[in-house]
Amino acid sequence: EPEVTQTPSHQVTQMGQEVILRCVPISNHLYFYWYRQILGQKVEFLVSFYNNEISEKSEIFDDQFSVERPDGSNFTLKIRSTKLEDSAMYFCASNPRGGVTEAFFGQGTRLTVV
Amino acid sequence: DAKTTQPTSMDCAEGRAANLPCNHSTISGNEYVYWYRQIHSQGPQYIIHGLKNNETNEMASLIITEDRKSSTLILPHATLRDTAVYYCIVRVEYGNKLVFGAGTILRVKS
Repeated sequence: EPEVTQTPSHQVTQMGQEVILRCVPISNHLYFYWYRQILGQKVEFLVSFYNNEISEKSEIFDDQFSVERPDGSNFTLKIRSTKLEDSAMYFCASNPRGGVTEAFFGQGTRLTVV
Repeated sequence: DAKTTQPTSMDCAEGRAANLPCNHSTISGNEYVYWYRQIHSQGPQYIIHGLKNNETNEMASLIITEDRKSSTLILPHATLRDTAVYYCIVRVEYGNKLVFGAGTILRVKS
């Protein structure tokens, strides 16, 4: 069964450093998302991406964050200068199309900022 | 998207049906009911969705009341592996993001 793949599974970084979280969505999917979940809290939407541009973003997704689909398969989330409060699980998701379809989530990257 | 209300937690005996309720009294005509679950900090997993008719797939059944103000997710024969947080989400047909609430912690016990 096709799946969304995220790497690395766990990343530890120093405060102020840049990190790039990587995702390989399911191959024929068109809509891509990043969500995050701070330990013990709700899953929060960060950004959606379609047709090579951001279609929606939350207030969490400030100038420190950026997304990119550098080639036909990868979808990345970059955090420019990490803060302690960026520590969370980051989930990538993809949909085959818009409308009434289910989103497929990856297993997540645990980001720890120290 | 309409707001949903779910119980904080529920217990279910292994092998029995788990019935998880969700209230969405402000749902509008073009909003669908989705159910996802999250097993111990893994990525959320899609279960089922519906508009107004009852739906069934290999994982679960979704019963939506006639007025669409509430729904119930049914896991017909719960196993220990069904222990998870279950999220009821209301979303418009062409909505983009999923808005997760706190969900219901379902504990399946042997």
